[in-house]
Amino acid sequence: DAKTTQPPSMDCAEGRAANLPCNHSTISGNEYVYWYRQIHSQGPQYIIHGLKNNETNEMASLIITEDRKSSTLILPHATLRDTAVYYCIVRGNAGNMLTFGGGTRLMVKP
Amino acid sequence: GAGVSQSPRYKVAKRGQDVALRCDPISGHVSLFWYQQALGQGPEFLTYFQNEAQLDKSGLPSDRFFAERPEGSVSTLKIQRTQQEDSAVYLCASSLQSYEQYFGPGTRLTVT
Repeated sequence: DAKTTQPPSMDCAEGRAANLPCNHSTISGNEYVYWYRQIHSQGPQYIIHGLKNNETNEMASLIITEDRKSSTLILPHATLRDTAVYYCIVRGNAGNMLTFGGGTRLMVKP
Repeated sequence: GAGVSQSPRYKVAKRGQDVALRCDPISGHVSLFWYQQALGQGPEFLTYFQNEAQLDKSGLPSDRFFAERPEGSVSTLKIQRTQQEDSAVYLCASSLQSYEQYFGPGTRLTVT
């Protein structure tokens, strides 16, 4: 699976949009981009995934660049409960395990 | 509905002791995964089951680590002769479809 690069930490004001970037320049054609988050003392939680089209669900939006070498996870109205480590993972559809990197520690501040 | 549960939530073991960590996956989920998470790091894959078959154990760090899922539901991760470097949070995840894994809260193992 392709390697991902994320900033180690970010801050966001409560109520504002949080935009979390991820670089995956070596992604191959059949690999998906997944996002999970891990709130302190909990297991990781699935957020969203996509192949090449932008995706949106009740939690977040995922924007993937046309060349698929990078993506952005958008939390439209961040709340204090969104404070967590966010992991961007690239995984082939036929693959099973998740390969986590260091993630981005998002701190939402009042 | 019930999610993935793990027990115990916390375990303290003296170096050299054997430990057994339990995972109850979501009912009907055929895939089950174990991950190890060291302090301040992302989770790392240990092993994967599809039903009762252990299809991948490439992440197990040594032959002291053993996992089983005899009836294709509950799984146990056993660590023999624990060492201090085994101190970590052990996470279990289950999956029905190939893309979304549901994680339990983890078991925090401390080896003294």
